[in-house]
Order: sequence, then C-alpha cells, then structure tokens
Amino acid sequence: AQTVTQSQPEMSVQEAETVTLSCTYDTSESDYYLFWYKQPPSRQMILVIRQEAYKQQNATENRFSVNFQKAAKSFSLKISDSQLGDAAMYFCAYRSARGSNYKLTFGKGTLLTVNP
Amino acid sequence: DTAVSQTPKYLVTQMGNDKSIKCEQNLGHDTMYWYKQDSKKFLKIMFSYNNKELIINETVPNRFSPKSPDKAHLNLHINSLELGDSAVYFCASSQVLGEQFFGPGTRLTVL
Repeated sequence: AQTVTQSQPEMSVQEAETVTLSCTYDTSESDYYLFWYKQPPSRQMILVIRQEAYKQQNATENRFSVNFQKAAKSFSLKISDSQLGDAAMYFCAYRSARGSNYKLTFGKGTLLTVNP
Repeated sequence: DTAVSQTPKYLVTQMGNDKSIKCEQNLGHDTMYWYKQDSKKFLKIMFSYNNKELIINETVPNRFSPKSPDKAHLNLHINSLELGDSAVYFCASSQVLGEQFFGPGTRLTVL
C-alpha cells in the first residue's frame, strides 16, 4: 500500500519570503500522480499543483513549484513571495495511474502560517 | 455555478440516529468519491463509484452505505450514528485520471 509522509506538522514564513514544504511517499508503482492540495480555514480543498511521475520536469504554477525526486520518492512544494492568503493546511497526495483505484492517499498535512 | 455541492454543510445529531449527506456534481464526471477528515485533519478515502458502480470500499463500517442513483449523484447514508463518526465528510468527483474536484464538506457532529 502507498503511504505519504509530511514530516512538518507546522511551518511559518514571513510575507514575501519563500518556504518549502516537504513530502515523501512510498510506492512500488512506476506510474502515478502527485498533488499538493491547500485547505484554508473555509475548509474547501483546492488543488495547488500536480505532477505526473513520468515527467522529469518539475511542475510550476505561478508562485508554486515542486521539486520532484522520483528515485528518492520526494515531492516538496516551494511557495515563493508568500502572501497572507497562502496561510492554510497543505496536503501532499498520491494517486495511482493504473487499474481502477483512483483514490487519493493523503499525508497528514502541514499547517502554514504567514506572518505579516 | 457550483461544481460539486453537498447538503447539508453542517449536521448536528444524537447518537443512534440515522442521517444522510447528499452530493451532486455538474461536471459530467464518471467517478465520485467520499472522503472522511477526522479531528486531526487526516483525510482518508471511504468509497469510490465509477458510473454508479462501487469501485472502492476502504474497510468502512457497514453502518455507512453509499448510494449512487446516477452518475451525477453520490449520497452517503449513515445508520446508528456513533460519537466517532463526528468528522468532516468530503465528496469529490473526477474523470478517470483527471483532477479530483472537492465539495465544500459536511461537518457532522454526533452528540
């Protein structure tokens, strides 16, 4: 079974600075997807960024980028120029690309605080 | 337009009661899911349906019964509610390998 580990329960960053959230995962599969979701206090789950395992290029979405290290099974999220609205719980998630099991397996989350 | 909607958003009830949470998606997706987020914010899959057929049942107590009357709806019925059922329940939908879109969540409180 796949597992996702987020080793930082809480992180904080100053507004306008950069922060990196860590995620590692365990799988025996070679084909899969990785995601970062954001959950603000409103509790809505919002997709931040997605990475296909077969792609070597790291995904980027504006101020959000990932460092995907497939051999190390590491998938960190970098937030540049942090804004107050980035404050939220961030979840790393794994999904298989094979078979019919398309569930997301989540890490326990990292609570990000942005200080003004 | 709301993509994935859930009703109700809040549900407070007594132990032993039976309750239902409804979910509807207007995205034309084939696959729908129920996730449970516990008090420590941990999210875990409960069920997945594809074209009205059950695909995933992650060792959920049989007091929980999902029902999918059509591709756009996946309801969750819970019998004999227990204190430990208190959580936020999220519905989500996707195309087969597409992004999962989440509903706003239903906060269930069992007293």
